[in-house]
Amino acid sequence: AQKVTQAQTEISVVEKEDVTLDCVYETRDTTYYLFWYKQPPSGELVFLIRRNSFDEQNEISGRYSWNFQKSTSSFNFTITASQVVDSAVYFCALSEAMRGQNFVFGPGTRLSVLP
Amino acid sequence: DSGVTQTPKHLITATGQRVTLRCSPRSGDLSVYWYQQSLDQGLQFLIQYYNGEERAKGNILERFSAQQFPDLHSELNLSSLELGDSALYFCASSVRSGQADFAFTDTQYFGPGTRLTVL
Repeated sequence: AQKVTQAQTEISVVEKEDVTLDCVYETRDTTYYLFWYKQPPSGELVFLIRRNSFDEQNEISGRYSWNFQKSTSSFNFTITASQVVDSAVYFCALSEAMRGQNFVFGPGTRLSVLP
Repeated sequence: DSGVTQTPKHLITATGQRVTLRCSPRSGDLSVYWYQQSLDQGLQFLIQYYNGEERAKGNILERFSAQQFPDLHSELNLSSLELGDSALYFCASSVRSGQADFAFTDTQYFGPGTRLTVL
């Protein structure tokens, strides 16, 4: 069965620090997709990235970067030079291309960036 | 702004009642998904529709039902409400996902949610 673990329940950092949010997934499929979503205090879910299982290249988008490692079943998210506006709950999610009839979210990591 | 709209934003009702939540997908999107977010269960997938037809079902209770209309908007009906149904209900949409096996591989864009409070 598919499962997503985000072991860090809450993280607090001071502005301008770098922070990494961990995501570990379980799947029996060879083809699957991983996602990160941000939920700011306003409540909406904002799409950040989608990555398929065949693309292990790391991705960078501004201050955000993602490290996908199939060997450890991890898809970690790093924010460089964090800002107060990065304060939110971040969810990692998994969908299986062949077996899945579901879209599974991790429990989320609450990030607080302090000024 | 994702382009997905949901109404109402807030809903307060009593146990035993029935409510309808409405979702309009982004222009051009054919798939609509419903999710429930509660403190104890986290974010859970409920049901997906593609171009008017049900495509996938998740942890949706029998008291809940949904449909997608010809104009592609969707409604989630919740009946015989219980205190535990209090949650944030999200709708999401995506362009494709007509094939059940690949129902969740497209990027989903989420609406702002409807906060349901059952008293």
